[in-house]
Amino acid sequence: DVKVTQSSRYLVKRTGEKVFLECVQDMDHENMFWYRQDPGLGLRLIYFSYDVKMKEKGDIPEGYSVSREKKERFSLILESASTNQTSMYLCASSLGLRNTIYFGEGSWLTVV
Amino acid sequence: GENVEQHPSTLSVQEGDSAVIKCTYSDSASNYFPWYKQELGKRPQLIIDIRSNVGEKKDQRIAVTLNKTAKHFSLHITETQPEDSAVYFCAHDPEAAGNKLTFGGGTRVLVKP
Repeated sequence: DVKVTQSSRYLVKRTGEKVFLECVQDMDHENMFWYRQDPGLGLRLIYFSYDVKMKEKGDIPEGYSVSREKKERFSLILESASTNQTSMYLCASSLGLRNTIYFGEGSWLTVV
Repeated sequence: GENVEQHPSTLSVQEGDSAVIKCTYSDSASNYFPWYKQELGKRPQLIIDIRSNVGEKKDQRIAVTLNKTAKHFSLHITETQPEDSAVYFCAHDPEAAGNKLTFGGGTRVLVKP
């Protein structure tokens, strides 16, 4: 069974803080993704990575960066958190570009 | 990514009735159309998907239909049960970019016993 684990389920951070959201998958998947989920807007792709140290911008990359130093780990970074980044963040992975995407449980981030 | 419009945003049905959710997209190159179900407080999970070389796919009580000419695809749930209550998301792959997906806004389905 594929497991995508997001280390923090609930976070509260202050405006201007640097925030790290960590994600680990245990199935040797090539591709990893970070999505943001907001009511009525569905899931919007922030960044994805198709290999170690490779990354590509999604639809809403502004204000975010990512890091993939190891195949199993994909980190989302908010350099200077703002209140409009309060949201649910979902990490996901897939074996290849034509394979099913598996999601983590999500990280609820509140920026105050 | 290319938008996908999903309707309705909420759907309330009586247990045993059918539920239909429709999505419309604009990118002619799209060829993969998955549907995800997200129960309250849980992760989205794939429930069914369809590729552009077929018009319909069925798995027990759920089915998906695809009309590439009209650029819309639909999820059909028959004989609904309380455990079908969830948020459902459609998605597609703009520009046939594999699983770099664009999602619809979601439909909250409530099945009343």
